[in-house]
Amino acid sequence: GAVVSQHPSRVICKSGTSVKIECRSLDFQATTMFWYRQFPKQSLMLMATSNEGSKATYEQGVEKDKFLINHASLTLSTLTVTSAHPEDSSFYICSASGTSPGEQFFGPGTRLTVL
Amino acid sequence: GQNIDQPTEMTATEGAIVQINCTYQTSGFNGLFWYQQHAGEAPTFLSYNVLDGLEEKGRFSSFLSRSKGYSYLLLKELQMKDSASYLCAVSLTGGFKTIFGAGTRLFVKA
Repeated sequence: GAVVSQHPSRVICKSGTSVKIECRSLDFQATTMFWYRQFPKQSLMLMATSNEGSKATYEQGVEKDKFLINHASLTLSTLTVTSAHPEDSSFYICSASGTSPGEQFFGPGTRLTVL
Repeated sequence: GQNIDQPTEMTATEGAIVQINCTYQTSGFNGLFWYQQHAGEAPTFLSYNVLDGLEEKGRFSSFLSRSKGYSYLLLKELQMKDSASYLCAVSLTGGFKTIFGAGTRLFVKA
């Protein structure tokens, strides 16, 4: 089956620093990747849709200058949290689209803790 | 707007059957997903319904009524490992975008 990896799985950083999270589709090409954020005991909130070779589409309320998304190839999308603050601490999950509408393959998630 | 409703928490006994309901109101509809998510982990796919009716897959079954904007996930022969959050999600038309409900936390007790 389709496998999506994320790196790192956990990261702890100081307030004000930037953190990059990578999302890779290992055995298939994904023209579209999605980035979600999940706070404790809450559901997944879509942050942005990332299309290879074009600018990401951000959901309402998500700051594009703070959450930089780059989808440089069909197998890699990156999310950079710039000038991270404690309120950015969350579980960040990426997913890659399959060939069928709505089909998504999720990465294992990245736990970000900002001190 | 988009709205997906499901109960916040449910408790059931090991070996029993539990039904988790989901209602949705969305602008566009391709299909409805159910995912299982254990704490601290990413969601794992359980089912995808496009047409009305019941789809059975082992101990898990999922039902969809598009006219009523309603779905349920049925879990039979509950096991302790089924304790998790169950997410109802709707795939929207016009692309690959999917929106998620808040999830139902299921507690299975001995």
